[in-house]
Amino acid sequence: RKEVEQDPGPFNVPEGATVAFNCTYSNSASQSFFWYRQDCRKEPKLLMSVYSSGNEDGRFTAQLNRASQYISLLIRDSKLSDSATYLCVVNGAGANNLFFGTGTRLTVIP
Amino acid sequence: DTEVTQTPKHLVMGMTNKKSLKCEQHMGHRAMYWYKQKAKKPPELMFVYSYEKLSINESVPSRFSPECPNSSLLNLHLHALQPEDSALYLCASSQVMTSTDTQYFGPGTRLTVL
Repeated sequence: RKEVEQDPGPFNVPEGATVAFNCTYSNSASQSFFWYRQDCRKEPKLLMSVYSSGNEDGRFTAQLNRASQYISLLIRDSKLSDSATYLCVVNGAGANNLFFGTGTRLTVIP
Repeated sequence: DTEVTQTPKHLVMGMTNKKSLKCEQHMGHRAMYWYKQKAKKPPELMFVYSYEKLSINESVPSRFSPECPNSSLLNLHLHALQPEDSALYLCASSQVMTSTDTQYFGPGTRLTVL
């Protein structure tokens, strides 16, 4: 079983739409959770960390459900510039060893 | 400043060549990482250095040899690579090697082995 699983998509949505991504993780002892964004042929860039209480940054909202071991990312009012691959990332317990999901490809269409 | 720099951006090498990838950060981070990323796949951890000492080697073949000359620099020496080693090599750093620290990635070196 993979450490982190996420739907690879692709998700094709019109501008202004709301889109949600989910991922699940297998290690219940995991301590840190992140969403990274990766543009084509570029490096992953931290989008946001994910906290148990949920956190919001502008149009982006991240949620963590420890009991069900899943993480979500909600993007409201999608922009063309949101087109990218979104990587769900979970830190292994006890060490800073990141486990990446396969990424979800989002394309926002005009 | 959350910048990690990597050189070169692109590298083409033959299977008999010896080359090195370089990574630098000036954020005072004491943990540095090498990842390998193939097309349409997530990054895979190769090595982790903590306080200039190798902490994790994810069973990487010996044709890849990491080096951490000081707390700001991380090198990856390449020798006798195979075409299947062609990939994007990403360097990352974090404050320390704990499970809650955010890792910041460099732009990567795109390596092609002929």
